[in-house]
This record gives sequence, C-alpha cells and structure tokens, in this order.
Amino acid sequence: DAGVIQSPRHEVTEMGQEVTLRCKPISGHDYLFWYRQTMMRGLELLIYFNNNVPIDDSGMPEDRFSAKMPNASFSTLKIQPSEPRDSAVYFCASSPSYTEAFFGQGTRLTVV
Amino acid sequence: AQSVTQPDIHITVSEGASLELRCNYSYGATPYLFWYVQSPGQGLQLLLKYFSGDTLVQGIKGFEAEFKRSQSSFNLRKPSVHWSDAAEYFCAVGDPLFNQGGKLIFGQGTELSVKP
Repeated sequence: DAGVIQSPRHEVTEMGQEVTLRCKPISGHDYLFWYRQTMMRGLELLIYFNNNVPIDDSGMPEDRFSAKMPNASFSTLKIQPSEPRDSAVYFCASSPSYTEAFFGQGTRLTVV
Repeated sequence: AQSVTQPDIHITVSEGASLELRCNYSYGATPYLFWYVQSPGQGLQLLLKYFSGDTLVQGIKGFEAEFKRSQSSFNLRKPSVHWSDAAEYFCAVGDPLFNQGGKLIFGQGTELSVKP
C-alpha cells in the first residue's frame, strides 16, 4: 500500500480564498483523522471519522473549517474563507480499529 | 485535564552517545502511549507503542521505551545515536475507551540534534 496520500503537498493562497485539502486513507482503515501542526499549538486533532461518519469535530477551530468523507477512500478539509492564521501543516491519518494511526506527509498551507 | 509534557524542547547529543527523551502524561487511567518521529518536511512515523503488557517496549531503528505507571512516564531511549536520528520526536497518548489509536494528544515535541 502507498500509505496515506495527501494533496497538495504545498498550497499558497491569498486571504479570503477557499482552500481544499485532500486525503486518501489506507485501504481498509475505518478511521480517518485530520490534524493541524503549528508552532504555537503543536499537533492538534481537528476532526475524525469512523466509517465515513464524523464522530468528533470539537477540534475544528471555526465555522470556516469543514470536513467531509464522501466515501471510504477520500476525505477533504475545506477552509472558506482562509485567513493568514490558518497557515500550518495539515496532516491526515488513518487507522484500523485497535491499533495505531498512520500519517500522511502533510500539506503545508500558507495564506498570504 | 489530559496532557502530555515533553520537558526538553531541544537536546544535542554526540553521535554514538546514548539518548533518553522524557515524556510525562496526565490522564485518568493508563492510556495508550506512542512515540512518533518527524524528519524535516515529512510526516509522522511511529517508532513504538504501548497498549498493555510488558512495560519495556521495543521499536524500530533501535529505539525502546519504558512505561512507568508510578511516574506517569514513557521515556524513549536509544543506546547509541546515529546522525540520521536527528529529527523531532513526539510523545502522544490515546484513550483506551476508543477502540482505535488515532485520537491522540501530543506533547510539544523534542528536537534532537546529533553532533559528529
């Protein structure tokens, strides 16, 4: 398996624009997680899904953030409108039950 | 509140020297425990994990960690550091009530530099 695949690897956008980050989990994993990494706050969980259903979105910082998982092989994290303070590395991870999560390479988002 | 503390923000060791990275956690019960490593511009790679059983856990790349319940600690060790070990190391805890190991609370990380 190729692992968790995230796209794009780097994204630079202007403030106010919509940004969509994409994630393909490992086949057969029934959990999917979105994390954000910043210097100030470190790694924090934004939202996670089980069998494509959002279970806990309490980490989503604002209503500008939304995440979907339309099927078992694809998830998106959308920011609309984007702001400079959203600049961070966003990680997607997936896991089967009862074991550890596997992380993607991350998307480095810069909002100017 | 649940939390993970990595007291050392940055550590420098000489190549060939031993290494210990500290991790303490605050949790209501014994959590799942993990160490991840992140090289610059890369994702997080799992080094080792503790779910239950033997408190001394062996991982990849020659790393090991010991769970000490009385000290709420899960320190990472390596007997001889290689230059390629230079990276950032994260300790994380997960809740055993959830039947998966991906809902994690991370420490702030320890950056390891290796002197030749």
